Amino acid sequence: DTGVSQNPRHKITKRGQNVTFRCDPISEHNRLYWYRQTLGQGPEFLTYFQNEAQLEKSRLLSDRFSAERPKGSFSTLEIQRTEQGDSAMYLCASSRGVGLVQYFGPGTRLLVL
Amino acid sequence: EDKVVQSPLSLVVHEGDTVTLNCSYEVTNFRSLLWYKQEKKAPTFLFMLTSSGIEKKSGRLSSILDKKELFSILNITATQTGDSAVYLCAVVHFGNEKLTFGTGTRLTIIP
Repeated sequence: DTGVSQNPRHKITKRGQNVTFRCDPISEHNRLYWYRQTLGQGPEFLTYFQNEAQLEKSRLLSDRFSAERPKGSFSTLEIQRTEQGDSAMYLCASSRGVGLVQYFGPGTRLLVL
Repeated sequence: EDKVVQSPLSLVVHEGDTVTLNCSYEVTNFRSLLWYKQEKKAPTFLFMLTSSGIEKKSGRLSSILDKKELFSILNITATQTGDSAVYLCAVVHFGNEKLTFGTGTRLTIIP
């Protein structure tokens, strides 16, 4: 397993701009999760996919957020019209299936100025 | 509302000491509990606990779950400076398998 990868690792943007992050899960992992982590807090669940289907979205995910996993492999998370409150580490995790461990990527650290 | 509480929030000990980190939870649809170690990057997996009373062990680290009292502990013996990190406890929910994390315990080992 090559591990979960995320790009970019860091992103600085101005308020109001759109940003997109990418996550490549461990191959053959059919579940993919997005979390957000702010300073001093544990990660918070945002959304998850089983294959290409997005099965649940947290109420933390406002209308400005959208996530896709078009072919059941990599996933993208887009934030439109960014706000300073969106500044956080965005973590992606994948697992092989139900009841199995989620492995995390290195995260994308977003700073909105 | 689901809740995972870790204590202490931070801990500073000398190298060689033994530490115990605590995690209590009140959640719906509990499946299992995970411990992760986070060092300025992504959380790395340590243990998965599903059954009460069965200790999981890996080197100097061990962990146990009590499903009746709704808590888990993580023990680290003979601590080393490389153990300095934030230790996160997370509960896995049946169904969506999402993780609900505690805020973590920041452990600092002084040489």
